[in-house]
Amino acid sequence: NAGVTQTPKFRILKIGQSMTLQCTQDMNHNYMYWYRQDPGMGLKLIYYSVGAGITDKGEVPNGYNVSRSTTEDFPLRLELAAPSQTSVYFCASSYSIRTGTFYEQYFGPGTRLTVT
Amino acid sequence: GQQLNQSPQSMFIQEGEDVSMNCTSSSIFNTWLWYKQDPGEGPVLLIALYKAGELTSNGRLTAQFGITRKDSFLNISASIPSDVGIYFCAGHSNTGNQFYFGTGTSLTVIP
Repeated sequence: NAGVTQTPKFRILKIGQSMTLQCTQDMNHNYMYWYRQDPGMGLKLIYYSVGAGITDKGEVPNGYNVSRSTTEDFPLRLELAAPSQTSVYFCASSYSIRTGTFYEQYFGPGTRLTVT
Repeated sequence: GQQLNQSPQSMFIQEGEDVSMNCTSSSIFNTWLWYKQDPGEGPVLLIALYKAGELTSNGRLTAQFGITRKDSFLNISASIPSDVGIYFCAGHSNTGNQFYFGTGTSLTVIP
């Protein structure tokens, strides 16, 4: 049981390049999330998914796209990278069996992205 | 989005001392989570709470779900050097689909 895994661990992009951050969970969680964490700051929600085929915007979605074709995978796509997207990106997953009851949320190890 | 008020912002303590920190929200929550984050690592879940008044321990860590459902507390007893890190809370209400996070407490333990 690996929990939440993310690849790559580090990446440097040039302005205007694109990339996909991969996230996989093996806990059969229905909810998955993407956050960014800037130095000394808290976590900001980019996108989340309530199940395969269903995604929704979080607090800071501009410049990102997601898809959820399976329960396990939730990739984050950066199109036309900008310096403002330099950050640490965390994927997380959690489980909810009915509206209003959310259980533990587990995080991946993060992807450190620099855009220059 | 809503951010939880977490205090203190930082703590410098001697090894062996006890630590207390808390988190408050303007909304009622159904779930409170406490995490520890080491530099360069992802947050690690320490304790999860689901009922008002609930008190849960994990080794030297004890957390409580406040009676008002708008706050939570984390205590660390007999601190050791490996307790160093940033601790933050997260909460989830009975509406919406996202967790809200505290601003973090940076803990330094002086040997």
